[in-house]
Amino acid sequence: KAGVTQTPRYLIKTRGQQVTLSCSPISGHRSVSWYQQTPGQGLQFLFEYFSETQRNKGNFPGRFSGRQFSNSRSEMNVSTLELGDSALYLCASSLREGETDTQYFGPGTRLTVL
Amino acid sequence: GQNIDQPTEMTATEGAIVQINCTYQTSGFNGLFWYQQHAGEAPTFLSYNVLDGLEEKGRFSSFLSRSKGYSYLLLKELQMKDSASYLCAGMDSNYQLIWGAGTKLIIKP
Repeated sequence: KAGVTQTPRYLIKTRGQQVTLSCSPISGHRSVSWYQQTPGQGLQFLFEYFSETQRNKGNFPGRFSGRQFSNSRSEMNVSTLELGDSALYLCASSLREGETDTQYFGPGTRLTVL
Repeated sequence: GQNIDQPTEMTATEGAIVQINCTYQTSGFNGLFWYQQHAGEAPTFLSYNVLDGLEEKGRFSSFLSRSKGYSYLLLKELQMKDSASYLCAGMDSNYQLIWGAGTKLIIKP
């Protein structure tokens, strides 16, 4: 079974631009969560989607948004990029048949904002 | 507030045993996860504890004390490939994971 895939793997953008990241979950998984990871900060939760609905949202500004499609693939968008948005963005999928299902992570998209 | 604390970095010797501690404060509690993350790679699941006690899985064991808000990951017979960051995450009452900053484990020959 294929794992979680994320595209692109690397991105370089400049301040003020916007970016869209894509995540394809493991086949059969209906939940996709997005995280931002920076050195020393650990994983910061952005949002979770389940069956095309946002279930949970972290403490990030409205510049960060996401959506999920009927095939469970998810995208996240960051508008008006700031230097501090430079990070590794990870998505994780789970079955969510049980609330405590294990999350499986993709390789991440490394975003650099210049 | 919700918080997960774990040491920033630890060093151990190949073949030895190391214990990585994690203390948590979450709004409600639905379990404690440990993940391993090698540099430049995605985190991978190691263990999940929701009841008090020790769960053993080969060279890795994880312990939970809910009354103390405390968990540890025990790694035995350390190998060089165990050099990685170890992430502790508590699941709150909304089934949302609260993550620690990770413990970077350095294994020396």
